[in-house]
Amino acid sequence: AQTVTQSQPEMSVQEAETVTLSCTYDTSENNYYLFWYKQPPSRQMILVIRQEAYKQQNATENRFSVNFQKAAKSFSLKISDSQLGDTAMYFCAFMKPVGAGNNRKLIWGLGTSLAVNP
Amino acid sequence: NAGVTQTPKFQVLKTGQSMTLQCAQDMNHEYMSWYRQDPGMGLRLIHYSVGAGITDQGEVPNGYNVSRSTTEDFPLRLLSAAPSQTSVYFCASSYGQGTSTDTQYFGPGTRLTVL
Repeated sequence: AQTVTQSQPEMSVQEAETVTLSCTYDTSENNYYLFWYKQPPSRQMILVIRQEAYKQQNATENRFSVNFQKAAKSFSLKISDSQLGDTAMYFCAFMKPVGAGNNRKLIWGLGTSLAVNP
Repeated sequence: NAGVTQTPKFQVLKTGQSMTLQCAQDMNHEYMSWYRQDPGMGLRLIHYSVGAGITDQGEVPNGYNVSRSTTEDFPLRLLSAAPSQTSVYFCASSYGQGTSTDTQYFGPGTRLTVL
């Protein structure tokens, strides 16, 4: 079965510092997508960053970047220059094909609660 | 664009009552889905739809019904509410599945309590 594991239930970081959230996944697929979503206290789910498995280059979005290690099935999120507004639950998700056609399924990790301290 | 909207934001039901959670999107997305989020369980897929008139079950479909009569709307019906359905419910949509635009857009969520 495909799974997504986030091994750090809670983390904290000082404002302006860098923090890395880990995510590993298990799959036999070769073509898939990986996502990091952020859920602040408002509970809205917000896409942070996306990575296509066929791309070797790590995705980057401003202060957010990933370290995608396909062979190791690892997809960590690095947040640079942490800001108070980064305080949120962060979810790693894996999208895989389901059956024939274009159906896909998202599999979610349980999340990492990140607190950015002033 | 309003994006994905959900109503209500909060709801309290008694066991056995029925209700419908509304979800609408104005982005002309084909794919819509419903999740529930419970502490320690992450997000679990309830039902999804790949287009108007087409729905399918996710991981935890029991006790819920959906329909997709239009591209914009994807309501979730609780047939006979149970305390186990106390949760936060999220509706999400995306342009397609299996394309480069697989990013899901989430609504703000509905917090449901069943007494």
